[in-house]
Amino acid sequence: SSELTQDPAVSVALGQTVRITCQGDSLRNYYASWYQQKPGQAPVLVIYGKNNRPSGIPDRFSGSSPGNTASLTITGAQAEDEADYYCNSRDTSGNHPHWVFGGGTKLTVL
Amino acid sequence: EVQVVESGGGLVQPGGSLRLSCVASGFTFSTYSMNWVRQAPGKGLEWVSYISSSSSTIYYADSVKGRFTISRDNAKNSVYLQMSSLRVEDTAVYYCARGMTGPLDAFDVWGQGTMATVSS
Repeated sequence: SSELTQDPAVSVALGQTVRITCQGDSLRNYYASWYQQKPGQAPVLVIYGKNNRPSGIPDRFSGSSPGNTASLTITGAQAEDEADYYCNSRDTSGNHPHWVFGGGTKLTVL
Repeated sequence: EVQVVESGGGLVQPGGSLRLSCVASGFTFSTYSMNWVRQAPGKGLEWVSYISSSSSTIYYADSVKGRFTISRDNAKNSVYLQMSSLRVEDTAVYYCARGMTGPLDAFDVWGQGTMATVSS
């Protein structure tokens, strides 16, 4: 089955811009979605589709997905953005459709 | 308020069974696909299973196929995960997640999860 690859950890200075990337063959055919997870909490959807934010997600979060690489960009990172971020997409390789998650990126806001 | 609430987790011995439940509220449950996603302690997210709104289409991750069964009861706004032949590696928090309508393929509503521990 396909995989989605993320950098394990990324750091950003408070107020600066950070990009978290996700690479995988499935992204050539399907959009990535992005989830934020803070310790002890359930994941929260932050970006889906081409570049859509659910209601309540700040506009400093944006997404892009050229080719086999998807990116989540946080413009002007805040202390509350420190969390684990996971990408996800559908994958139709193999015997049957399934969904895959990246391994997650731990974002530290300095 | 749109929400889903999981229950049914607990401690079970290897080879045993457990049935997880997820009750939805605040939206028209019968029009949405539903999923189970799990997270082993200290690890990342792993998709487990999908069921379409009418139960006509069901998918499983290879890691659980043949051991887990997903089902739903639209009259009760509920989705279930019957887990059998459990292994130590099935130990995880199990989340119920709503699938977005159309081709967007994202999970937009998540519960707080229920912990399933497989140990002797």
